[in-house]
Amino acid sequence: GDSVTQMEGPVTLSEEAFLTINCTYTATGYPSLFWYVQYPGEGLQLLLKATKADDKGSNKGFEATYRKETTSFHLEKGSVQVSDSAVYFCALSGKLQGAQKLVFGQGTRLTINP
Amino acid sequence: DTAVSQTPKYLVTQMGNDKSIKCEQNLGHDTMYWYKQDSKKFLKIMFSYNNKELIINETVPNRFSPKSPDKAHLNLHINSLELGDSAVYFCATRLAKNIQYFGAGTRLSVL
Repeated sequence: GDSVTQMEGPVTLSEEAFLTINCTYTATGYPSLFWYVQYPGEGLQLLLKATKADDKGSNKGFEATYRKETTSFHLEKGSVQVSDSAVYFCALSGKLQGAQKLVFGQGTRLTINP
Repeated sequence: DTAVSQTPKYLVTQMGNDKSIKCEQNLGHDTMYWYKQDSKKFLKIMFSYNNKELIINETVPNRFSPKSPDKAHLNLHINSLELGDSAVYFCATRLAKNIQYFGAGTRLSVL
């Protein structure tokens, strides 16, 4: 079945450091790919998405490129801030019992120190 | 106005009790979901409804019964609560291309 694998956390960085969170996927067909972010005590929010190969999703300084050849969708940010501290989830769209659903990775907790 | 609202935010109860979690959305989306997030943050789909009709039931024990009285509501009733049911439960709705909007979650603690 479809699956998503993210790098193990937690990840701790200093402010203004470069961030990469790796994400690879296994899927039949050509899913859409997503990054969701969960701030403490809140629900998940869509951060960015890409719907086809070579698409780049971007939002709030974060970027991720849909790489079909390596089945990856790594999240990057050039200079992180304390406010970026959260749990980040990579996800793909798939089908279950004929209905659309999201398949999530296990989440990566990111902590940014001032 | 909160787009997807869940009540209660926190729920502490004894083993064996029956409890409900309510979810309401004002986005007009047709599809709604319930997810369970365990203590390690792993997020797993439980149910999905489309226009009040159950379309996904992901091998959840039948102690869990979702109910959708109308398109804007998807409630989750849990009978005979067990320790392993302790988790954060999220309601979500779906827009096109599988973009989902999540509620803030209900933290359930079974003692």
